[in-house]
Amino acid sequence: DTEVTQTPKHLVMGMTNKKSLKCEQHMGHRAMYWYKQKAKKPPELMFVYSYEKLSINESVPSRFSPECPNSSLLNLHLHALQPEDSALYLCASSQSRGFEETQYFGPGTRLLVL
Amino acid sequence: AQKVTQAQTEISVVEKEDVTLDCVYETRDTTYYLFWYKQPPSGELVFLIRRNSFDEQNEISGRYSWNFQKSTSSFNFTITASQVVDSAVYFCALSEAEGAQKLVFGQGTRLTINP
Repeated sequence: DTEVTQTPKHLVMGMTNKKSLKCEQHMGHRAMYWYKQKAKKPPELMFVYSYEKLSINESVPSRFSPECPNSSLLNLHLHALQPEDSALYLCASSQSRGFEETQYFGPGTRLLVL
Repeated sequence: AQKVTQAQTEISVVEKEDVTLDCVYETRDTTYYLFWYKQPPSGELVFLIRRNSFDEQNEISGRYSWNFQKSTSSFNFTITASQVVDSAVYFCALSEAEGAQKLVFGQGTRLTINP
């Protein structure tokens, strides 16, 4: 089973709102990722957690705050977002063996910031 | 520095035609991994194949086949007898042994199969 689930599927929020995106996997993977994808562009890496520790932060603005409560869950907390943050947010997971990291993606959350 | 180039932005063919999606990559590492992902309109990236730099064997999976040529730094993807369900954006991606968690994606090729 190579399933990564994400909730919600769609989210509309105002610039003063606080919301969270959730991601879950039950494949025993120990690395989890957040990507941002704008229309007609490839995904851009935001954060990577390995063994529940933040291992990569691609200079993402602090209005995006990741959290990894356990090895199966990954959250992305959103606060004071801008309209340009509207995008598809994809979660992925991989085994974290240090090599041959095949990432499996979830269906994404389509975020609209008004 | 790593780079993946998918020169074909959009391809449109009629159902049952064969179609090849091109992917050219750049890397300084001798150990690296190449991937193809499919992104249908629903948005999810679906993993199709991983190939490591030491394995130049071509692969066939049903109507899909992949041609890996290190000499030309290419990893092309062919769909035989295309179907409407193959319509999607296809991404080629590269990761290196050092930093295997960082996937570098090409810009993607939007494939439309017309009935």
